[in-house]
Amino acid sequence: DVKVTQSSRYLVKRTGEKVFLECVQDMDHENMFWYRQDPGLGLRLIYFSYDVKMKEKGDIPEGYSVSREKKERFSLILESASTNQTSMYLCASSLLINEQFFGPGTRLTVL
Amino acid sequence: EDQVTQSPEALRLQEGESSSLNCSYTVSGLRGLFWYRQDPGKGPEFLFTLYSAGEEKEKERLKATLTKKESFLHITAPKPEDSATYLCAVQALNNDMRFGAGTRLTVKP
Repeated sequence: DVKVTQSSRYLVKRTGEKVFLECVQDMDHENMFWYRQDPGLGLRLIYFSYDVKMKEKGDIPEGYSVSREKKERFSLILESASTNQTSMYLCASSLLINEQFFGPGTRLTVL
Repeated sequence: EDQVTQSPEALRLQEGESSSLNCSYTVSGLRGLFWYRQDPGKGPEFLFTLYSAGEEKEKERLKATLTKKESFLHITAPKPEDSATYLCAVQALNNDMRFGAGTRLTVKP
C-alpha cells in the first residue's frame, strides 16, 4: 500500500513566521503535489513536482514555495505566514498520470 | 476552462436507502475521472478510476459509472459507516487535475 506521511497533523503559528510542511512518500512516485482545502472551495493545487528539483506552480502559488531535494520528500514553505493561510494542507503523490494518493493532512492555524 | 460540479452538496439517507451522487464535468479531453472518499479531518482515500464513457467500477456498496459529461456514484443499501464526503476529480489530457467541492453524505441508522 502507498503511504504518504505529513510531518504534523496540527500546527499553530503566528503571523509572519516561516512555516515548513513536510511530506514523505514510500512508493517511488515521480509526482508529488501540495493542495489546500477550504470549506466550499474544495481542493486547490498550490504546487506540484514531477521530478527531483523540478517544480510547477498550481492554481494558487502566491505566498508559498516548495522544495524537492529527494524523490520521496516534498516540502511546502510559507515564507511569512498570514491569517488567510489558515487551512487544511494535503500532500499527494502519484505514479506518472495515475490516481493520486493523499497524506492525512496538516491543519494549520495562523494567529 | 475545465470544471467539475458535484451535486447535491449534502445528502442525508436512512440506512438501506439507495441513492446516487452526481459529478458533472467539462474538460478539454478526458484522461481519467477519479472518485475519493474523505472522512472528517483526514486525507482523501482513493476509490475508483474511470477512463471512458460506458465504463463501470464496483466496490462493496459503491458503483461508479461514466458518461461523456458526468459520472455517478451509486450507493446501494448504505450503512452508517458510509457517511463521509465523496470527492470527484477529473484529469485532462494535459494532466491538469480538477477536484469538485464534494458531496457530504450522512447515513442515519
